[in-house]
Amino acid sequence: DTAVSQTPKYLVTQMGNDKSIKCEQNLGHDTMYWYKQDSKKFLKIMFSYNNKELIINETVPNRFSPKSPDKAHLNLHINSLELGDSAVYFCASSPFGGSTDTQYFGPGTRLTVL
Amino acid sequence: ILNVEQSPQSLHVQEGDSTNFTCSFPSSNFYALHWYRWETAKSPEALFVMTLNGDEKKKGRISATLNTKEGYSYLYIKGSQPEDSATYLCASARDYKLSFGAGTTVTVRA
Repeated sequence: DTAVSQTPKYLVTQMGNDKSIKCEQNLGHDTMYWYKQDSKKFLKIMFSYNNKELIINETVPNRFSPKSPDKAHLNLHINSLELGDSAVYFCASSPFGGSTDTQYFGPGTRLTVL
Repeated sequence: ILNVEQSPQSLHVQEGDSTNFTCSFPSSNFYALHWYRWETAKSPEALFVMTLNGDEKKKGRISATLNTKEGYSYLYIKGSQPEDSATYLCASARDYKLSFGAGTTVTVRA
C-alpha cells in the first residue's frame, strides 16, 4: 500500500546508455514531480506535471524527458547518460500542486553512471 | 528557484535537551513555508505547512514559528529523543515549486 513508489531503487549503468526510472502514486493526486538530490544534498526540482501536463521544466538538459501516461504515473527517461547524472532522484506527488500542498515523496532511485 | 538557507548545517544534542534551528527565505511574494523531516534511508516526510505571519504549528515535541516579514522560521524540538535524529528540511513554496534548503542534520546522543 505504498503511496509513492519508484523503480528501480538502484541503477548502475555505463556512460552513454539510456535508462528510465518509473514512478507511481496511488494517492489520487493531480500533480507529480521529479527532484534531483545533488552532490551537496540539495533537493532540486526538475519537472512537475499536473494532470499529465508539463507545468515546470527547471532548465534540465534535453537528455531528460519525463513522460506521464496518466496522472498516477510520471516516468523519467534519460538519454546518453553522463557521469554528472549520478545522483539520487526522488519522485513526489501532491493533491493539486498549490503552494500549500504537502508533497509526498517516493523512496528515491540512486543512479550511478560509470 | 528561491534562495533558502538553513543554519546550522548540523548539530548534536544530548537526549532530553531542547534545541532549535533556523530557516531563512525571501520575504517578498511569500506563499508558504514547508518543513520536512528526513531520516536516513527514508523519504522526506512532511511536518508542517505554514502560511501566515506569526503562525505557530506543533506536532508532539516539535513546533515551528513563522515570520514572513523578515523571512525566517524556527523549528524547535523539546526534550530531544534519539528518534528525533534526522535531517530537517525547510522549503519555500511558490506556484508548483518547492525550493529546499540544504537542511539541518540533528543527532541526538543518548
